[in-house]
Amino acid sequence: KAGVTQTPRYLIKTRGQQVTLSCSPISGHRSVSWYQQTPGQGLQFLFEYFSETQRNKGNFPGRFSGRQFSNSRSEMNVSTLELGDSALYLCASSLGAGRFTGELFFGEGSRLTVL
Amino acid sequence: EDKVVQSPLSLVVHEGDTVTLNCSYEVTNFRSLLWYKQEKKAPTFLFMLTSSGIEKKSGRLSSILDKKELFSILNITATQTGDSAIYLCAVPSGRQFYFGTGTSLTVIP
Repeated sequence: KAGVTQTPRYLIKTRGQQVTLSCSPISGHRSVSWYQQTPGQGLQFLFEYFSETQRNKGNFPGRFSGRQFSNSRSEMNVSTLELGDSALYLCASSLGAGRFTGELFFGEGSRLTVL
Repeated sequence: EDKVVQSPLSLVVHEGDTVTLNCSYEVTNFRSLLWYKQEKKAPTFLFMLTSSGIEKKSGRLSSILDKKELFSILNITATQTGDSAIYLCAVPSGRQFYFGTGTSLTVIP
């Protein structure tokens, strides 16, 4: 069974640009969550999608957005990039029914560097 | 506000040492606590704990949960260089997980 796939793995952007990251969950998983990981801050929750609907959103500005497609693949977009957006963006999938109690399955992340 | 706090932030030990990593939490409607290991890539699942006092073990790793005092510990005995990683503690609440900042463990040969 294929794991969670994130693309691209690495990217470099300059301030003011925008970026789109992609995540394909494990087959059969309908929930996709996104996390931002920075040194000292740990994993910060961005948002979660289930059946193409955003079910929960973390405390990030509106420059961060996402969506989920009918095949459960998800994208997240960051517009008007700032230096502080440099981070590892992790996608995680789960079956997603009901409140979360069990394991999240993570992709290897997209490392974004903003210059 | 829900939160998860891990300590220490970083740890350097020699091979063969035993380490204890700590995780305390304040999360609404607690149901479970999970431990993950993160090397230079995706966090990988170690344990899920739901009941107090029951130790979960996997080889040299073990973990226990105290729901009364709201904390968990992860023990690693006879550490090896391959144990070098960031260890993450996570607690789900609603439809998100709250993560601690992680403990960075370095095992020196």
